[in-house]
Amino acid sequence: QKEVEQDPGPLSVPEGAIVSLNCTYSNSAFQYFMWYRQYSRKGPELLMYTYSSGNKEDGRFTAQVDKSSKYISLFIRDSQPSDSATYLCAIFSGNTGKLIFGQGTTLQVK
Amino acid sequence: NAGVTQTPKFQVLKTGQSMTLQCAQDMNHEYMSWYRQDPGMGLRLIHYSVGAGITDQGEVPNGYNVSRSTTEDFPLRLLSAAPSQTSVYFCASGPSISYNSPLHFGNGTRLTVT
Repeated sequence: QKEVEQDPGPLSVPEGAIVSLNCTYSNSAFQYFMWYRQYSRKGPELLMYTYSSGNKEDGRFTAQVDKSSKYISLFIRDSQPSDSATYLCAIFSGNTGKLIFGQGTTLQVK
Repeated sequence: NAGVTQTPKFQVLKTGQSMTLQCAQDMNHEYMSWYRQDPGMGLRLIHYSVGAGITDQGEVPNGYNVSRSTTEDFPLRLLSAAPSQTSVYFCASGPSISYNSPLHFGNGTRLTVT
């Protein structure tokens, strides 16, 4: 079983839609949760990070963490064509210094 | 300020050949790392370094060597290329490895081994 699982998609939505991207993880010791965005033929860049259960908003983006279910989500409101990219969840353990990436979900906004 | 620079952008090798992928950063970051990205596998850590002269293995180190003689440079060497090493390779750097210390990635080297 992979430590972090992410549905690879691809996911295709119309412009203006609400997008939900999800990851599950297996180790309850993981403490910190990040989302990276990767445009085609580019390196990933950090979008958001959070470390507590609940929601964190940044403009049209909301990161949600449910530690009891070991489930994290990224919501994109009013999606735009410029949001078309691959989104990778990443989970960090402060105890081990281990950073693990999900497989990435490819999103296309038409 | 160039950030993280990777060269070459593309490379084709024959099985058994060796080569070095270059990575340089100009942000004075202590932490540098190499990942490979394959379809359905996400980013997997090959090797990393927490400072000049210090390197360690990641999740998939076999077939690769690294060294860190300066803060700025972290080359990745393929000793004897195999088709299984066909992948996109990313170098990343950061002030440290932490949840609130974002990794800065280069734009990748696309390697094909025939």
